[in-house]
Amino acid sequence: EVQLVESGGGLVKPGRALRLSCTASGSTFGDYAMSWFRQAPGKGLEWIGFITNKNYGGTTEYAASVKGRFTISRDDSKSISYLQMISLKTEDTAVYYCAKAGLRWYFDLWGRGTLVTVSS
Amino acid sequence: DIVMTQSPDALAVSLGERATINCKSSQSVLYSSNNENYLAWYQQKPGQSPKLLIYWASTRESGVPDRFSGSGSGTDFTLTISSLQAEDVAVYYCQQYYNTPYTFGQGTKLEIK
Repeated sequence: EVQLVESGGGLVKPGRALRLSCTASGSTFGDYAMSWFRQAPGKGLEWIGFITNKNYGGTTEYAASVKGRFTISRDDSKSISYLQMISLKTEDTAVYYCAKAGLRWYFDLWGRGTLVTVSS
Repeated sequence: DIVMTQSPDALAVSLGERATINCKSSQSVLYSSNNENYLAWYQQKPGQSPKLLIYWASTRESGVPDRFSGSGSGTDFTLTISSLQAEDVAVYYCQQYYNTPYTFGQGTKLEIK
């Protein structure tokens, strides 16, 4: 059974950078499209962006709120997806989740999330 | 962007009774070429990550109890729990995957009356 585990969260000052990782167990990670989401404390879910699998060129797309600051990548040899975040703002404080896409862009497996706190 | 609006924001239902959550999209999420509605429902229990319940508006994810069902088309959708169980206490979200940015409703908090 595939599982997703996020890591790399923590406390970071505004303007700094942070890289999150999403590690998948199982041997078929390369077949999946992956997406990242966040959930601010007490708030709803926000889609951040996705990366397709290699068959679709590893294409990325982002929400307007993070475009130019966040970058999603993947290393299929390690079964990891990354979320590189730069120029962090206090409003980026949230639990960050990675999720695996189903046949289309619904998300059938989520990690447990990692908390990112942006504060001086 | 497609705006997803859920109603109600919160709902209290007695054990064994029916719970109904509504979701309205600001534009149709029905894709004419395949006649599919690009709409999913998720359950998020306290302290946990979201769990997929329903996709294509009415297809139940494997392992999801059959008391959960989804219906609707175009812009109006419903998640129904036919007989509420204690473990169904959660926040429920609808999500459109018709186009990017993929957007969620604000969530409906379901509690036991």
